[in-house]
Amino acid sequence: QQQVKQSPQSLIVQKGGISIINCAYENTAFDYFPWYQQFPGKGPALLIAIRPDVSEKKEGRFTISFNKSAKQFSLHIMDSQPGDSATYFCAASKSSGDKLTFGTGTRLAVRP
Amino acid sequence: GAGVSQSPRYKVAKRGQDVALRCDPISGHVSLFWYQQALGQGPEFLTYFQNEAQLDKSGLPSDRFFAERPEGSVSTLKIQRTQQEDSAVYLCASSVDRGSSTEAFFGQGTRLTVV
Repeated sequence: QQQVKQSPQSLIVQKGGISIINCAYENTAFDYFPWYQQFPGKGPALLIAIRPDVSEKKEGRFTISFNKSAKQFSLHIMDSQPGDSATYFCAASKSSGDKLTFGTGTRLAVRP
Repeated sequence: GAGVSQSPRYKVAKRGQDVALRCDPISGHVSLFWYQQALGQGPEFLTYFQNEAQLDKSGLPSDRFFAERPEGSVSTLKIQRTQQEDSAVYLCASSVDRGSSTEAFFGQGTRLTVV
């Protein structure tokens, strides 16, 4: 049972453009929504996270938008750079220290 | 150490062989998680330890999978009688505790290939 659905599967963006990745969840008990970045041969690394009491969180070029009623959240990467080329995973858990349920991932390629 | 360390990085096993994968979490981290990541997929939860206690093993796919953390630090994931469907990257993550505002730090993983 896939509890977190992620789209698109892959994304190509020009340098300087905006990358947008979307996720939807089913379990209303989820209370913590992180995004992870994974480079080939490496483990996932936390990029940014949000809790459902806020609708948006921004850290540098990365922004999470959260819609609690729709059970959806998205990652926006502004001014995308070739170094951002990686696989991005959304995830959800019942608290920040709890087991994570991951989406299927989005492979982002930023063209120079 | 500076981060979560996993060994070996790569393991090739013949079908039916037993394997043991090691995880050295960040020193002092109470919580330790194992995940399985199939090719092109997101990580899937296997099991969770709080210190030496295995509090959740709901994600272990079969009784061939066994994990332990006897002294509350290093953990070992053991897979008995490996099958081809066990081929995946096995990720270990640790965090300070299970409370609020705790980030999980992942290791680089062990890529297991069963031939």
